[in-house]
Amino acid sequence: GNSVTQMEGPVTLSEEAFLTINCTYTATGYPSLFWYVQYPGEGLQLLLKATKADDKGSNKGFEATYRKETTSFHLEKGSVQVSDSAVYFCAHAPQGGSEKLVFGKGTKLTVNP
Amino acid sequence: DVKVTQSSRYLVKRTGEKVFLECVQDMDHENMFWYRQDPGLGLRLIYFSYDVKMKEKGDIPEGYSVSREKKERFSLILESASTNQTSMYLCASSGAGWYGYTFGSGTRLTVV
Repeated sequence: GNSVTQMEGPVTLSEEAFLTINCTYTATGYPSLFWYVQYPGEGLQLLLKATKADDKGSNKGFEATYRKETTSFHLEKGSVQVSDSAVYFCAHAPQGGSEKLVFGKGTKLTVNP
Repeated sequence: DVKVTQSSRYLVKRTGEKVFLECVQDMDHENMFWYRQDPGLGLRLIYFSYDVKMKEKGDIPEGYSVSREKKERFSLILESASTNQTSMYLCASSGAGWYGYTFGSGTRLTVV
């Protein structure tokens, strides 16, 4: 079936460290892929997306590349800030007309000064 | 700025009460969703709707119902609240073109 697996948290980094949060998916066809971010006490916000293989989504210094061959969409940032502390969710929209997103369980990131 | 608005940020209700959680979107979106979020379990889909007066069960519909009488409003109803329904509830909407969901800020419900 359709699923998303992302790396277990929590992740704790120092400011200016490099961030990678791994995400892999199981789906048929060519799903669209998303990263959402949830800041403390808030709902989820779309961070970036990619709709076809080899697309790179980017926003606020975060990047993720749609890798069809490895069914992955890993989130990266070269230099994290304290304000990046949040929970990050990977998600995909299965192809085939379904409008329902399938979410990973989320990865909590804490960035210390 | 486009918005999904959930009527309450925090709610405290008693066991057995009927609880209404309201969600309104101003983007003319066709699709609306209700999720609950619990530590370690991520987001779980309760119900969703593709159109007015239309609803479909998600992964965990038991103990919940929904109402969508107007395109912009999607209500989640807890018929008889129980303590295991204490959770964060998130509403989302999406439209044609697949730009993903827009989420509300969430309602943290505590059932005592």
